Amino acid sequence: NAGVTQTPKFHILKTGQSMTLQCAQDMNHGYLSWYRQDPGMGLRRIHYSVAAGITDKGEVPDGYNVSRSNTEDFPLRLESAAPSQTSVYFCASSYWVKDYPYEQYFGPGTRLTVT
Amino acid sequence: DAKTTQPTSMDCAEGRAANLPCNHSTISGNEYVYWYRQIHSQGPQYIIHGLKNNETNEMASLIITEDRKSSTLILPHATLRDTAVYYCIASSGTYKYIFGTGTRLKVLA
Repeated sequence: NAGVTQTPKFHILKTGQSMTLQCAQDMNHGYLSWYRQDPGMGLRRIHYSVAAGITDKGEVPDGYNVSRSNTEDFPLRLESAAPSQTSVYFCASSYWVKDYPYEQYFGPGTRLTVT
Repeated sequence: DAKTTQPTSMDCAEGRAANLPCNHSTISGNEYVYWYRQIHSQGPQYIIHGLKNNETNEMASLIITEDRKSSTLILPHATLRDTAVYYCIASSGTYKYIFGTGTRLKVLA
């Protein structure tokens, strides 16, 4: 099993450009989420999904969109990038059982710079 | 979800036990205590979690006080590879994780 994979590893984007960060998992997990980590800070959740076709906002969703058409993939889209979105982005997956929080498995991250 | 408080940094001698404290005085009855660590800029790695009872796995032990207001992560024989930032998180089934800045553990040779 590859676990949680993310592409690309690094990317530089100009202000106003759009981009999709890819996340895929091969563990048949129901729960997928996106986090961002800014320098010297902990991770903050952007969006999450508990099953294909179901997505919801996390704690810092503004400027990001997600979709989930199948179990494996959970792409994060930046429609019009801003310098404030310069960050390291992590995708995480977990089993989903209502009211029981299983441990999350994190991907290696995508380091994004918006100039 | 409850906020947690951890010391900013700690040092530990290689081969000794590393005891990392966490305060979660506002934790509610359905919130679990989770520990993750982040080595360099890698994705966080799950270590252990618990609700009320003490827990042990191949990586660490988790001691939760009876009133559940604090906990301690114990790495029994720290190695240089355990140098990382350790995060203590209180979370219920909503998977809402509030990551603080964690404890930066440095294992010294």
